[in-house]
Amino acid sequence: NAGVTQTPKFQVLKTGQSMTLQCAQDMNHEYMSWYRQDPGMGLRLIHYSVGAGITDQGEVPNGYNVSRSTTEDFPLRLLSAAPSQTSVYFCASSPRTGTLYGYTFGSGTRLTVV
Amino acid sequence: GESVGLHLPTLSVQEGDNSIINCAYSNSASDYFIWYKQESGKGPQFIIDIRSNMDKRQGQRVTVLLNKTVKHLSLQIAATQPGDSAVYFCAEGTGRRALTFGSGTRLQVQP
Repeated sequence: NAGVTQTPKFQVLKTGQSMTLQCAQDMNHEYMSWYRQDPGMGLRLIHYSVGAGITDQGEVPNGYNVSRSTTEDFPLRLLSAAPSQTSVYFCASSPRTGTLYGYTFGSGTRLTVV
Repeated sequence: GESVGLHLPTLSVQEGDNSIINCAYSNSASDYFIWYKQESGKGPQFIIDIRSNMDKRQGQRVTVLLNKTVKHLSLQIAATQPGDSAVYFCAEGTGRRALTFGSGTRLQVQP
């Protein structure tokens, strides 16, 4: 049982490049979400999903796309990277039921856009 | 690894003392609240949670207090240890929506 796995752990992109941050969970959780964390700030919600085939926008969705074709995977796509997207990205999952919707977080992807 | 929370408010306590970390939340309709601990270079780790119909919940060495009148949440850590040094976040949630996080407090435990 690996929990929430994020890849890659580190990434450097040039402005304008695109890439996909991967997130996979093996706990059969229905809820998954993506957050970004900038220095001195809390986590801000980018996109989330309440189940396969269902996604919705969070607080800061611009510049990011998501899809949820399976319960296990929830990739985050950067369409055209900008320096403002330099951040640490966390994926989290939560069971549909359980202890107060407690989220399990991945270890993060540290992205630098130059 | 990348440092988290370079400009966060900091609470400094002596080892063995009790710590109280405070959080003001924004949504009076939130159903539940969660405290997370985040160590440098790692993802947030669940500490304790509380439903909106409760005002107190205790765990191992930790207690969460909820005051809905003033929309205030606190985390009390008893007998603080060096391993408790981290950034602490409160988060609020409503129904099936994803969590909304506060800005965090850095706890430094002095030996």
